[in-house]
Amino acid sequence: QVQLQESGPGLVKPSETLSLTCTVSGGSMNIYHWTWIRQSAGKGLEWIGRLNMNGNSNYNPSLKSRVTMSIDSSTNQFSLKLDSVTAADSAVYYCARNVPGTTFFIWGQGTLVTVSS
Amino acid sequence: QSALTQPASVSGSPGQSITISCSGTSGDFGAYNYVYWFQHHPGKAPRVVIYDVNNRPSGVSNRFSGSRSGNTASLTISGLQAEDEADYYCSSHTTSSTLYVFGNGTKVTVL
Repeated sequence: QVQLQESGPGLVKPSETLSLTCTVSGGSMNIYHWTWIRQSAGKGLEWIGRLNMNGNSNYNPSLKSRVTMSIDSSTNQFSLKLDSVTAADSAVYYCARNVPGTTFFIWGQGTLVTVSS
Repeated sequence: QSALTQPASVSGSPGQSITISCSGTSGDFGAYNYVYWFQHHPGKAPRVVIYDVNNRPSGVSNRFSGSRSGNTASLTISGLQAEDEADYYCSSHTTSSTLYVFGNGTKVTVL
């Protein structure tokens, strides 16, 4: 049974970089897309971006200038970096997996990140 | 800003049926026959209840059903139960560079 687990600081200062890691257990990272999604308080789900094992990535245009994703198959992890954060980036961040062409059947539990000084 | 539009809330009594609508555009529903519905209980990971418009994953109650007509998709929950109280999100692929969009979410309340 594949499981995903997000990890990273729960508190980030404004203007700094938010860094999260998603650890994949119980399955291979091949063939899938690995995705980050967030939900701000009182708001809906927002797709941040995705990447695959080849390192090919796509980002939400609204965040593209600040987002970097990477993947490390040797540790079964993929990561999210979001630069120059503001309070608007405070959210629960989820990592998820999908087979290309379909949706996110596997999710992590989510991790709350608060941007505050 | 969400590309898919849902009602903010829908409510019903136990045993009743409710329907949640989701309006898209030619760039999402119109381009792809892929409509997904997620159930999200606060503090938990979202769960797929409908995929590819009207298919249920294994383990999802047959009380959940989906449909689509043009650029509008719908999720119907029949025989409403207390455990169905949650937020529901529609989603789809999109031809825009966003690639994947969600609705703004509908809070379902069981009265």
